[in-house]
Amino acid sequence: GDSVTQMEGPVTLSEEAFLTINCTYTATGYPSLFWYVQYPGEGLQLLLKATKADDKGSNKGFEATYRKETTSFHLEKGSVQVSDSAVYFCALSDPGNQFYFGTGTSLTVIP
Amino acid sequence: GAGVSQSPSNKVTEKGKDVELRCDPISGHTALYWYRQRLGQGLEFLIYFQGNSAPDKSGLPSDRFSAERTGESVSTLTIQRTQQEDSAVYLCASSLGPMGETQYFGPGTRLLVL
Repeated sequence: GDSVTQMEGPVTLSEEAFLTINCTYTATGYPSLFWYVQYPGEGLQLLLKATKADDKGSNKGFEATYRKETTSFHLEKGSVQVSDSAVYFCALSDPGNQFYFGTGTSLTVIP
Repeated sequence: GAGVSQSPSNKVTEKGKDVELRCDPISGHTALYWYRQRLGQGLEFLIYFQGNSAPDKSGLPSDRFSAERTGESVSTLTIQRTQQEDSAVYLCASSLGPMGETQYFGPGTRLLVL
């Protein structure tokens, strides 16, 4: 069945460091891919999404490219800030099926 | 406009008691989802409502769990005879249309079963 596997955490980075959080997926159809973020004490919110192969989602300096050939949707940011400290979830949705979420990756950015 | 709201925000109950959790989706959103998030784990799908169609209950972990939705508005998730392993954050999300659309999450209800 469909599934999402994302990088284990926790991840701790210094401010202005480069961030990559890996996400790979397994799907029988042509899914849409998402990154959700959960800031401390808040609910999950959509960070970015891509709906077809080679699409790049971007928001708040974060980017992820839908790679069908490697079944990946890695999240990247060139220079993280303390305010980016949160838990990041990769997810997929195959129309007609459920949403599948990864287990989440906790990011802490230290000044 | 208003986002997804959930109540209560926190609930402490004794083992064996029943609890009801409420979700108010974004107005106009036809799809509504419930998830469970145990401490340090990912989201576990529970149930999905889409318009007037029969709900997808495939994620409900046992017959102690049930959920209802009134039309395209409020939903309640009921857990009967709670067990300690039911302790988790219960998240509700809504979206404009069927699966595949962006989901908007509520803040969750943190349930603790003593």
